[in-house]
Amino acid sequence: AQSVAQPEDQVNVAEGNPLTVKCTYSVSGNPYLFWYVQYPNRGLQFLLKYITGDNLVKGSYGFEAEFNKSQTSFHLKKPSALVSDSALYFCAGTSGTYKYIFGTGTRLKVLA
Amino acid sequence: DGGITQSPKYLFRKEGQNVTLSCEQNLNHDAMYWYRQDPGQGLRLIYYSQIVNDFQKGDIAEGYSVSREKKESFPLTVTSAQKNPTAFYLCASSIDLHRGEREQYFGPGTRLTVT
Repeated sequence: AQSVAQPEDQVNVAEGNPLTVKCTYSVSGNPYLFWYVQYPNRGLQFLLKYITGDNLVKGSYGFEAEFNKSQTSFHLKKPSALVSDSALYFCAGTSGTYKYIFGTGTRLKVLA
Repeated sequence: DGGITQSPKYLFRKEGQNVTLSCEQNLNHDAMYWYRQDPGQGLRLIYYSQIVNDFQKGDIAEGYSVSREKKESFPLTVTSAQKNPTAFYLCASSIDLHRGEREQYFGPGTRLTVT
């Protein structure tokens, strides 16, 4: 069965420090991978995606993600965290079908 | 939240009543989706529709029904058969960019509470 895992329920980081939110996947074939952010009582906002090509993907708001095929990972990163980055982050994947698999989400808390 | 509207934002119903959640998009997207979000469980796919007059069950379709009579609209009905209907419901749509590549855009969600 296909799956996307986010092993951390919550990540705390000090403002200005680099942040990493982890995601591993088990998707058949060539995976299409996505990161979304959700603020309280809102829908999901697209941050970035990996389809093919460069393993380092740059997205919105200074976020980037690194696709690692050997480790089946797609970790979200940002060099310097902001308090406003505090939100719920979802990793998602698909093998190209209409069925997206979402992780359980990681709550990021950036401390001032 | 792009060009997807969901109404109402909050919905309260008594147990045993059917309720319909609205989802409208003006993005001219062919595909639309309904997800359910529960704390700690991420998003789970209820139904999706690739084109008008066609829809497919997702992973948790039991107790739900949908229709897709117009490209812009994909209403979800939560029936009395759904055992735990209280949740946050998210509608999404997507456009095909290249073969197999599509980006999903999400609506603001409807929080349904059934007592």
